[in-house]
Amino acid sequence: EAGVVQSPRYKIIEKKQPVAFWCNPISGHNTLYWYRQNLGQGPELLIRYENEEAVDDSQLPKDRFSAERLKGVDSTLKIQPAELGDSAVYLCASSSRLLSSSNYGYTFGSGTRLTVV
Amino acid sequence: AQRVTQPEKLLSVFKGAPVELKCNYSYSGSPELFWYVQYSRQRLQLLLRHISRESIKGFTADLNKGETSFHLKKPFAQEEDSAMYYCALYEKGAQKLVFGQGTRLTINP
Repeated sequence: EAGVVQSPRYKIIEKKQPVAFWCNPISGHNTLYWYRQNLGQGPELLIRYENEEAVDDSQLPKDRFSAERLKGVDSTLKIQPAELGDSAVYLCASSSRLLSSSNYGYTFGSGTRLTVV
Repeated sequence: AQRVTQPEKLLSVFKGAPVELKCNYSYSGSPELFWYVQYSRQRLQLLLRHISRESIKGFTADLNKGETSFHLKKPFAQEEDSAMYYCALYEKGAQKLVFGQGTRLTINP
């Protein structure tokens, strides 16, 4: 089991450029989350998917951030254009409806560390 | 708003000494709490869940509803315990984990 796979691990871009992150959740996990972790802070939820449907995107800055989860498996998070304040670690996590998140928590990927210069 | 507070950003203890990482929460319902750990260059991983009342790697955490706390404890710290520790609350309505700011634990030899 590869776990939750994210790519790339690191990304350095200039401000105003676009960037995309990819996540492959654990097979069979219907719920997928994108979290952002700023330096010195805990992770904060950006968006939650149930299968292919975004059921909570209230914390996603929609003017520049977008996400998709086609076919309810892999997901992509995009920023366009990136700003200096977007520098952070972007974490993907997944969980299974069969294993209640309230009891078992989530499985996280390794994250993508984004640096905007 | 639901909130998780970890008052110590840094905690340093000597090997063999007891460790306590503090976590306080605010939640209107019956809380579901977790501790996550992130070792150097590794991913964030679940350490323990309050509902299972388990001991993992010698760590335990007891939910104290009166004090709204979920402190993580270990009687004898080991060098391999050095890591970032995050307390998290499962927010049932929003179905999401809310994390504290984290505590960096350093075990000195």
